[in-house]
Amino acid sequence: DIVMTQTPLSLSVTPGQPASMSCKSSQSLLHSDGRTYLYWYVQKPGQSPQILIFEIFNRFSGVPDRFSGSGSGTDFTLHISRVEPDDVGVYYCVQGLQLPRTFGGGTKVEIK
Amino acid sequence: EVQLVQSGAEVKKPGESLKISCKGSGYIFTSYWIAWVRQMPGKGLEWMGIIYPGDSTTTYSPSFEGLVTISADKSITTAYLQWGSLKTSDTAIYYCASNVLGARVPDYWGQGTLVTVSS
Repeated sequence: DIVMTQTPLSLSVTPGQPASMSCKSSQSLLHSDGRTYLYWYVQKPGQSPQILIFEIFNRFSGVPDRFSGSGSGTDFTLHISRVEPDDVGVYYCVQGLQLPRTFGGGTKVEIK
Repeated sequence: EVQLVQSGAEVKKPGESLKISCKGSGYIFTSYWIAWVRQMPGKGLEWMGIIYPGDSTTTYSPSFEGLVTISADKSITTAYLQWGSLKTSDTAIYYCASNVLGARVPDYWGQGTLVTVSS
C-alpha cells in the first residue's frame, strides 16, 4: 500500500494569516496517463469529509480560491492564503493512484 | 441532487452481527463505485473497500479482507457493509462515499453511521 505522511499534526493560525501543510507519499503518484492522483479533503467538526482539490492543484466547484495546491511526484502542499474561522477542521491528503486508496493522518487547523 | 443516505446509529454487543446501508439517489447508481471508509473515535480515515454496483465486483483493503462484507442491490440503489461477529474494536463511524464527479477518490459522502460495540 502507498503510505501517505502529513505534517504538521496541527496548526494554530491567526485569522487572515496564511497556512500551509505538507503531504508526502511513499511512491510517486504520477500515473502513466500523465496525471498525478493526489487529492485534498477537509473534515469540519461533526461533518463528513468534503473534497477540496483534485490532481494536485485543481479546485472543486465552490472551493474558495484561498485554497491552492502544489507539488509533484511524492511531495505536495496545501496552502490557505488567508485563514478564516470556517476553515477549522482536519485536512487530509489521499492518493488515487492505486487500490486501496490511502489517506494521510491529517493536519488539524485551529484558530488562535 | 446527488445523495448518499446512510442507515441510523447502531448499538451492538460483541459477537453480534450487523448490516448497515447506504442508499444512493440523484445519479446513475450502477455507473460509479461506492467505497466504505472507517473513522475510529478521534482518528483518521481508513479505506475499507469498494464495490462496483453494476456487477457487484468488490475489492477490499488487506486490513479489512475477511472481516467485513460489502454488497449492493442495484434494484434499490443501496450498498451494504456487514459484519458476522462484531468486536469492541469495530466501534467507529462508517462512511459510504462515491465518485459521482468522476474523481479517482470519493467526491460525494454519506452522513456516516455510528456503530458502537459494547458489552
